[in-house]
Amino acid sequence: QQQVKQSPQSLIVQKGGISIINCAYENTAFDYFPWYQQFPGKGPALLIAIRPDVSEKKEGRFTISFNKSAKQFSLHIMDSQPGDSATYFCALYSSASKIIFGSGTRLSIRP
Amino acid sequence: DGGITQSPKYLFRKEGQNVTLSCEQNLNHDAMYWYRQDPGQGLRLIYYSQIVNDFQKGDIAEGYSVSREKKESFPLTVTSAQKNPTAFYLCASSTGQNNQPQHFGDGTRLSIL
Repeated sequence: QQQVKQSPQSLIVQKGGISIINCAYENTAFDYFPWYQQFPGKGPALLIAIRPDVSEKKEGRFTISFNKSAKQFSLHIMDSQPGDSATYFCALYSSASKIIFGSGTRLSIRP
Repeated sequence: DGGITQSPKYLFRKEGQNVTLSCEQNLNHDAMYWYRQDPGQGLRLIYYSQIVNDFQKGDIAEGYSVSREKKESFPLTVTSAQKNPTAFYLCASSTGQNNQPQHFGDGTRLSIL
Protein backbone atom coordinates (compact mmCIF):
# COMPACT_ATOMS: atom_id res chain seq x y z
CA GLN A 1 0.00 0.00 0.00
CA GLN A 2 1.37 3.37 -1.05
CA GLN A 3 1.50 5.78 1.88
CA VAL A 4 3.51 8.55 0.27
CA LYS A 5 3.23 10.16 -3.15
CA GLN A 6 6.22 12.10 -4.44
CA SER A 7 6.04 14.48 -7.39
CA PRO A 8 7.20 15.27 -9.95
CA GLN A 9 8.96 12.15 -11.16
CA SER A 10 11.49 14.30 -13.02
CA LEU A 11 12.24 18.01 -13.06
CA ILE A 12 14.38 20.29 -15.20
CA VAL A 13 15.31 23.70 -13.82
CA GLN A 14 17.51 26.47 -15.17
CA LYS A 15 20.61 27.37 -13.20
CA GLY A 16 19.71 29.94 -10.59
CA GLY A 17 16.06 28.93 -10.49
CA ILE A 18 14.02 27.36 -7.70
CA SER A 19 13.50 23.60 -7.64
CA ILE A 20 10.41 22.36 -5.81
CA ILE A 21 9.65 18.72 -5.00
CA ASN A 22 6.53 17.63 -3.15
CA CYS A 23 5.46 14.70 -1.01
CA ALA A 24 1.99 13.89 0.28
CA TYR A 25 1.24 11.18 2.84
CA GLU A 26 -1.86 9.33 3.89
CA ASN A 27 -1.90 9.05 7.67
CA THR A 28 -0.58 10.84 10.72
CA ALA A 29 1.54 8.09 12.22
CA PHE A 30 4.79 9.71 11.11
CA ASP A 31 6.92 12.07 13.14
CA TYR A 32 10.14 12.67 11.20
CA PHE A 33 10.38 13.79 7.58
CA PRO A 34 13.84 13.68 5.98
CA TRP A 35 14.93 14.32 2.43
CA TYR A 36 17.75 12.30 0.89
CA GLN A 37 19.96 13.19 -2.08
CA GLN A 38 21.40 10.47 -4.30
CA PHE A 39 24.01 10.82 -7.04
CA PRO A 40 24.37 8.12 -9.72
CA GLY A 41 26.17 5.03 -8.45
CA LYS A 42 26.08 6.24 -4.85
CA GLY A 43 23.87 5.64 -1.85
CA PRO A 44 21.37 8.25 -0.64
CA ALA A 45 22.68 10.82 1.82
CA LEU A 46 20.62 12.80 4.32
CA LEU A 47 20.10 16.34 3.03
CA ILE A 48 17.71 17.97 5.48
CA ALA A 49 14.95 16.82 7.85
CA ILE A 50 12.02 18.29 9.75
CA ARG A 51 9.81 17.29 12.67
CA PRO A 52 6.04 18.01 12.58
CA ASP A 53 6.15 20.60 15.34
CA VAL A 54 7.68 23.17 12.95
CA SER A 55 6.37 24.43 9.62
CA GLU A 56 9.67 25.28 7.95
CA LYS A 57 13.35 24.50 8.24
CA LYS A 58 16.10 26.13 6.23
CA GLU A 59 19.69 25.02 5.76
CA GLY A 60 21.61 27.11 3.28
CA ARG A 61 19.85 26.93 -0.09
CA PHE A 62 17.63 24.05 1.02
CA THR A 63 14.26 24.55 2.73
CA ILE A 64 11.61 22.09 3.89
CA SER A 65 8.06 23.40 4.15
CA PHE A 66 5.67 21.26 6.19
CA ASN A 67 1.87 21.44 6.18
CA LYS A 68 0.62 19.06 8.83
CA SER A 69 -3.10 19.63 8.19
CA ALA A 70 -2.70 18.95 4.48
CA LYS A 71 -0.28 16.06 5.13
CA GLN A 72 2.21 17.50 2.69
CA PHE A 73 5.84 18.55 2.81
CA SER A 74 8.09 19.93 0.15
CA LEU A 75 11.75 20.56 -0.60
CA HIS A 76 12.76 23.89 -2.09
CA ILE A 77 16.22 24.39 -3.57
CA MET A 78 16.99 28.06 -4.07
CA ASP A 79 19.53 29.29 -6.64
CA SER A 80 19.74 25.77 -8.12
CA GLN A 81 23.19 24.76 -9.34
CA PRO A 82 24.36 22.06 -11.78
CA GLY A 83 25.89 20.24 -8.79
CA ASP A 84 22.37 19.83 -7.38
CA SER A 85 21.50 17.48 -10.27
CA ALA A 86 20.62 14.24 -8.50
CA THR A 87 17.70 12.09 -7.45
CA TYR A 88 15.84 13.26 -4.34
CA PHE A 89 13.77 11.07 -2.04
CA CYS A 90 11.41 12.09 0.70
CA ALA A 91 10.93 9.71 3.60
CA LEU A 92 8.53 9.22 6.48
CA TYR A 93 9.64 7.85 9.85
CA SER A 94 7.26 6.64 12.54
CA SER A 95 7.92 6.06 16.21
CA ALA A 96 7.49 2.36 15.51
CA SER A 97 10.72 2.53 13.47
CA LYS A 98 8.76 2.19 10.25
CA ILE A 99 10.36 4.05 7.36
CA ILE A 100 8.72 4.70 4.02
CA PHE A 101 10.48 6.27 1.04
CA GLY A 102 8.96 8.22 -1.81
CA SER A 103 9.55 7.04 -5.36
CA GLY A 104 12.15 9.70 -6.08
CA THR A 105 12.51 12.81 -8.26
CA ARG A 106 15.27 13.08 -10.82
CA LEU A 107 16.38 16.72 -10.86
CA SER A 108 18.44 18.16 -13.71
CA ILE A 109 19.80 21.70 -13.53
CA ARG A 110 20.53 23.25 -16.93
CA PRO A 111 23.64 25.48 -17.02
CA ASP B 1 36.46 7.67 8.64
CA GLY B 2 33.26 6.07 9.91
CA GLY B 3 30.90 4.70 7.34
CA ILE B 4 29.28 1.78 5.59
CA THR B 5 31.18 -0.38 3.13
CA GLN B 6 29.37 -2.51 0.59
CA SER B 7 31.12 -5.02 -1.62
CA PRO B 8 31.43 -5.85 -4.36
CA LYS B 9 30.31 -2.79 -6.31
CA TYR B 10 29.22 -4.96 -9.26
CA LEU B 11 28.13 -8.60 -9.11
CA PHE B 12 26.94 -11.04 -11.72
CA ARG B 13 24.81 -14.09 -10.99
CA LYS B 14 24.24 -17.18 -13.07
CA GLU B 15 20.87 -18.88 -13.18
CA GLY B 16 20.29 -21.08 -10.13
CA GLN B 17 23.17 -19.56 -8.19
CA ASN B 18 23.10 -17.97 -4.76
CA VAL B 19 25.18 -14.83 -4.25
CA THR B 20 26.06 -12.95 -1.09
CA LEU B 21 26.40 -9.17 -0.80
CA SER B 22 28.60 -7.81 1.96
CA CYS B 23 27.77 -4.88 4.24
CA GLU B 24 30.10 -3.69 7.01
CA GLN B 25 29.71 -0.60 9.21
CA ASN B 26 32.05 1.01 11.74
CA LEU B 27 29.56 3.55 13.05
CA ASN B 28 28.70 1.45 16.12
CA HIS B 29 25.08 1.43 14.96
CA ASP B 30 22.67 -1.13 16.36
CA ALA B 31 20.24 -1.22 13.42
CA MET B 32 21.03 -2.29 9.88
CA TYR B 33 18.85 -2.49 6.77
CA TRP B 34 18.84 -3.86 3.24
CA TYR B 35 16.95 -2.11 0.44
CA ARG B 36 16.39 -2.89 -3.19
CA GLN B 37 16.25 0.01 -5.63
CA ASP B 38 14.64 -0.32 -9.05
CA PRO B 39 14.19 2.57 -11.50
CA GLY B 40 11.14 4.67 -10.68
CA GLN B 41 10.23 2.64 -7.59
CA GLY B 42 12.28 4.22 -4.85
CA LEU B 43 13.68 2.06 -2.08
CA ARG B 44 11.95 -1.13 -0.92
CA LEU B 45 12.89 -2.76 2.37
CA ILE B 46 14.11 -6.37 2.16
CA TYR B 47 15.25 -7.16 5.71
CA TYR B 48 16.26 -5.24 8.79
CA SER B 49 17.98 -6.00 12.07
CA GLN B 50 17.75 -3.95 15.25
CA ILE B 51 20.13 -6.06 17.30
CA VAL B 52 22.70 -8.81 16.87
CA ASN B 53 21.28 -12.29 16.24
CA ASP B 54 17.84 -10.90 15.40
CA PHE B 55 16.30 -9.72 12.13
CA GLN B 56 12.87 -9.15 10.59
CA LYS B 57 11.41 -9.41 7.12
CA GLY B 58 10.68 -6.24 5.25
CA ASP B 59 8.21 -5.71 2.42
CA ILE B 60 9.96 -7.88 -0.21
CA ALA B 61 11.86 -10.60 1.72
CA GLU B 62 10.97 -13.54 -0.54
CA GLY B 63 14.04 -14.98 -2.25
CA TYR B 64 16.47 -13.30 0.13
CA SER B 65 18.15 -14.29 3.40
CA VAL B 66 20.30 -12.45 5.95
CA SER B 67 22.34 -13.06 9.08
CA ARG B 68 23.47 -10.77 11.88
CA GLU B 69 26.19 -12.58 13.80
CA LYS B 70 28.20 -9.42 14.48
CA LYS B 71 27.13 -5.85 15.15
CA GLU B 72 29.29 -4.59 12.29
CA SER B 73 28.13 -6.99 9.60
CA PHE B 74 24.81 -7.71 7.88
CA PRO B 75 25.33 -9.82 4.73
CA LEU B 76 22.49 -10.39 2.27
CA THR B 77 22.15 -13.59 0.24
CA VAL B 78 20.17 -13.44 -2.97
CA THR B 79 18.97 -16.99 -3.50
CA SER B 80 17.99 -18.78 -6.69
CA ALA B 81 14.38 -18.41 -5.52
CA GLN B 82 14.56 -14.69 -6.33
CA LYS B 83 13.45 -14.73 -9.95
CA ASN B 84 14.13 -11.10 -10.75
CA PRO B 85 17.29 -10.21 -8.84
CA THR B 86 18.66 -7.56 -11.19
CA ALA B 87 18.68 -4.35 -9.13
CA PHE B 88 20.77 -1.93 -7.12
CA TYR B 89 21.07 -3.11 -3.51
CA LEU B 90 21.64 -0.63 -0.71
CA CYS B 91 22.66 -1.31 2.87
CA ALA B 92 21.97 1.23 5.60
CA SER B 93 22.49 1.59 9.33
CA SER B 94 21.17 3.79 12.12
CA THR B 95 21.39 4.07 15.89
CA GLY B 96 17.99 2.38 16.05
CA GLN B 97 16.58 5.15 18.19
CA ASN B 98 13.41 6.90 17.12
CA ASN B 99 13.74 9.42 14.32
CA GLN B 100 17.43 9.02 13.70
CA PRO B 101 18.47 9.14 10.04
CA GLN B 102 19.83 6.20 8.16
CA HIS B 103 23.32 6.19 6.73
CA PHE B 104 23.72 4.38 3.41
CA GLY B 105 26.52 2.54 1.68
CA ASP B 106 27.28 3.09 -2.00
CA GLY B 107 25.42 0.01 -3.14
CA THR B 108 25.99 -3.19 -5.09
CA ARG B 109 24.62 -3.56 -8.60
CA LEU B 110 23.57 -7.14 -9.27
CA SER B 111 23.01 -8.42 -12.79
CA ILE B 112 22.06 -11.78 -14.29
CA LEU B 113 24.38 -13.45 -16.78
